[in-house]
Amino acid sequence: NAGVMQNPRHLVRRRGQEARLRCSPMKGHSHVYWYRQLPEEGLKFMVYLQKENIIDESGMPKERFSAEFPKEGPSILRIQQVVRGDSAAYFCASSPGEWGQGYEQYFGPGTRLTVT
Amino acid sequence: QKEVEQNSGPLSVPEGAIASLNCTYSDRGSQSFFWYRQYSGKSPELIMSIYSNGDKEDGRFTAQLNKASQYVSLLIRDSQPSDSATYLCAVRTNFVFGPGTRLSVLP
Repeated sequence: NAGVMQNPRHLVRRRGQEARLRCSPMKGHSHVYWYRQLPEEGLKFMVYLQKENIIDESGMPKERFSAEFPKEGPSILRIQQVVRGDSAAYFCASSPGEWGQGYEQYFGPGTRLTVT
Repeated sequence: QKEVEQNSGPLSVPEGAIASLNCTYSDRGSQSFFWYRQYSGKSPELIMSIYSNGDKEDGRFTAQLNKASQYVSLLIRDSQPSDSATYLCAVRTNFVFGPGTRLSVLP
């Protein structure tokens, strides 16, 4: 059973470019969560999605960031006009049901974004 | 007050000893608690979940939950050098992860 997949694993963007991070959940999982981890800092929740719906985006910056989880295909985290402060590891996690309601979430390997 | 607090460490224990990691949380209504292990440069890996007061054991790991005192702990018995990592406490409420405790097991 393949785990959560994320690509690319490493992404380099110049300031002002767009970054697209993809996440394919584990088979049978329809709940996806995105987190950001700055160097030497903790994990910060960004957004929680189910297929075609954003359930909770309370951790998502109001500007430049968006996320989707279409009916078909991976979940996408999109960062427009990247700035150096966006450099971080972005982790995706998935669960078969809502995390905490008897379901556990499992993390992908992450995408390391570097903004030059 | 931060939502989830952990001692940042590093916590150093000799090989074979018991490592005790603690976590406190602020939201009394929290119901679901998790421990993750994160090796440097890697993604978090689930160790245990705990939902009820008391102890939950899985191999060398024991999670303890006390909702009245709002703390959850993780004990690692017979610590091994391979247990050296950062341990993250997570509370489902608001998807909060603690800052992590860095554990170093000395051979």
